[in-house]
Amino acid sequence: SQQGEEDPQALSIQEGENATMNCSYKTSINNLQWYRQNSGRGLVHLILIRSNEREKHSGRLRVTLDTSKKSSSLLITASRAADTASYFCATVLTGGGNKLTFGTGTQLKVEL
Amino acid sequence: GAVVSQHPSWVICKSGTSVKIECRSLDFQATTMFWYRQFPKQSLMLMATSNEGSKATYEQGVEKDKFLINHASLTLSTLTVTSAHPEDSSFYICSATDRAWPRDQFFGPGTRLTVL
Repeated sequence: SQQGEEDPQALSIQEGENATMNCSYKTSINNLQWYRQNSGRGLVHLILIRSNEREKHSGRLRVTLDTSKKSSSLLITASRAADTASYFCATVLTGGGNKLTFGTGTQLKVEL
Repeated sequence: GAVVSQHPSWVICKSGTSVKIECRSLDFQATTMFWYRQFPKQSLMLMATSNEGSKATYEQGVEKDKFLINHASLTLSTLTVTSAHPEDSSFYICSATDRAWPRDQFFGPGTRLTVL
């Protein structure tokens, strides 16, 4: 299946540190998106990176995409306790319309 | 803008009963709605895609007779879990795309279903 693998599965850091999460996928994509989900809640869209882009920034978020390696990373700088959540990458396949395929997710815990 | 609501936010039912979950786009016309299921500490799995006025397209392995989807208007889609069993207990999330911005999916807050 196309479902992306994310690592690490869980990450625990101290407030102020940076958090890096990685996502790998299997087939050609149109774009890759990152979402955040607080426990038991819906998803919040964080950032979208197109297949012809290599890096994108949004506030404290930095996303990279390496289509040759079929991988992406999400970096959260200067993390805060409020960043504690699960983070998912999701891909839109080439020719896949707007259907999203989600990765396995990374549970991030930011401790005070 | 681009708000999607779900109702109910949680529901508990007895095994064998049917449960209906509503997904509404509050301030835009949703030409396409998606239904996902998420088991605890797992990822979202797409169940089906529904387009207004047409039959839903189900993903492989999802029983269409068990998970009935109706997208009768541009602002409402419903998912009915028929003859629910404990293994159907899960978090059900819908998303919708705006006719004007078909690339972006807007997610609802989810519905927690517990089948006793």
